[in-house]
Amino acid sequence: SAVISQKPSRDICQRGTSLTIQCQVDSQVTMMFWYRQQPGQSLTLIATANQGSEATYESGFVIDKFPISRPNLTFSTLTVSNMSPEDSSIYLCSARWETQYFGPGTRLLVL
Amino acid sequence: DAKTTQPNSMESNEEEPVHLPCNHSTISGTDYIHWYRQLPSQGPEYVIHGLTSNVNNRMASLAIAEDRKSSTLILHRATLRDAAVYYCILRGTGGANSKLTFGKGITLSVRP
Repeated sequence: SAVISQKPSRDICQRGTSLTIQCQVDSQVTMMFWYRQQPGQSLTLIATANQGSEATYESGFVIDKFPISRPNLTFSTLTVSNMSPEDSSIYLCSARWETQYFGPGTRLLVL
Repeated sequence: DAKTTQPNSMESNEEEPVHLPCNHSTISGTDYIHWYRQLPSQGPEYVIHGLTSNVNNRMASLAIAEDRKSSTLILHRATLRDAAVYYCILRGTGGANSKLTFGKGITLSVRP
């Protein structure tokens, strides 16, 4: 199975600041995804980040708030911008080869 | 998007088989049935997937109804480590239909 790592694993941030989450995969992949999991809820897809194209955002998510980079086939970043307490969630990176795998998540608390 | 319906929760006893049901009456002919599970404080983990025929792997079995409108994930001998939220997800083969869209899942509790 694939290995997906995320940094940081958790963080506590002040409102109005931004946090960039890094996602590293252990083998090249075209399709990567970012999800959000709010407390006690299921996962919600934020965007699809395919290498070589602009990220595609789902309804309710915008690039200004969640800019994504995909510089190569093994790395992606998600930035949570101008944070508010409502952004407190787990953010998960995912990648699809034949099967789709998920990272361990980044637990974000915004005060 | 084709939707799935799962019970909210289920309890089982350790070392007994567990059957987790999923209804997907609006499934299309090209939708694969995927199961993922999420252990506490972890990201989702792939369990199994299938199209029409029943599937077996080292983790579980997937039984798919002949009309494909329902399926059952079978854990042959539940362990305490199998306590998790199990998600039944339909995934198509291209474009927007190929996204993994998570529902609420079913929370499985395993009693020692």
